Amino acid sequence: AQTVTQSQPEMSVQEAETVTLSCTYDTSENNYYLFWYKQPPSRQMILVIRQEAYKQQNATENRFSVNFQKAAKSFSLKISDSQLGDTAMYFCALFTSGTYKYIFGTGTRLKVLA
Amino acid sequence: DGGITQSPKYLFRKEGQNVTLSCEQNLNHDAMYWYRQDPGQGLRLIYYSQIVNDFQKGDIAEGYSVSREKKESFPLTVTSAQKNPTAFYLCASSMGLLLKNTEAFFGQGTRLTVV
Repeated sequence: AQTVTQSQPEMSVQEAETVTLSCTYDTSENNYYLFWYKQPPSRQMILVIRQEAYKQQNATENRFSVNFQKAAKSFSLKISDSQLGDTAMYFCALFTSGTYKYIFGTGTRLKVLA
Repeated sequence: DGGITQSPKYLFRKEGQNVTLSCEQNLNHDAMYWYRQDPGQGLRLIYYSQIVNDFQKGDIAEGYSVSREKKESFPLTVTSAQKNPTAFYLCASSMGLLLKNTEAFFGQGTRLTVV
């Protein structure tokens, strides 16, 4: 069975500071993909960043980057220069080619403080 | 503009009634998904479909039913057998089998309340 665990229900960070959200996962498959989604108060799910498991290089998208540790099955999200608009729920997700479905963690509620 | 449309945004249902949530996409995606979101529980998969006329149960399918008669549409029916249907429901789609590394695209959700 595939699982995704986010152990930080809530976090806060000062504006312009850096914060890291944790995610661990479990799968027996070798071919899989990992995602971070953002859900602002509007509740619209927005893709933040994706990582292919076969790529060793960590993905980056502007202020967002990941630390992908395949052996440890860890996939953390780092947000640099935090902005008020980053306030949202963040979900880690796993997609495996064998099941063709997306499994989500329970989310981390991030609040950026002015 | 391409996207996923869920309707209605808010839905009220009396106990014992079935209700159908609509999900339509014009992204030409093969795969479609239904998730339920409850506070503290993240997104849980109800049903998913990789191709037309085929669908599979997710982790919490009991009390729900779906159909996939058209590529663009994947309606979800919440039946009276669902014991606690009040929740936020999200529909998603992706390229599916053709492009495995694509992300899922989401609709804006439907908030269902049983009164």
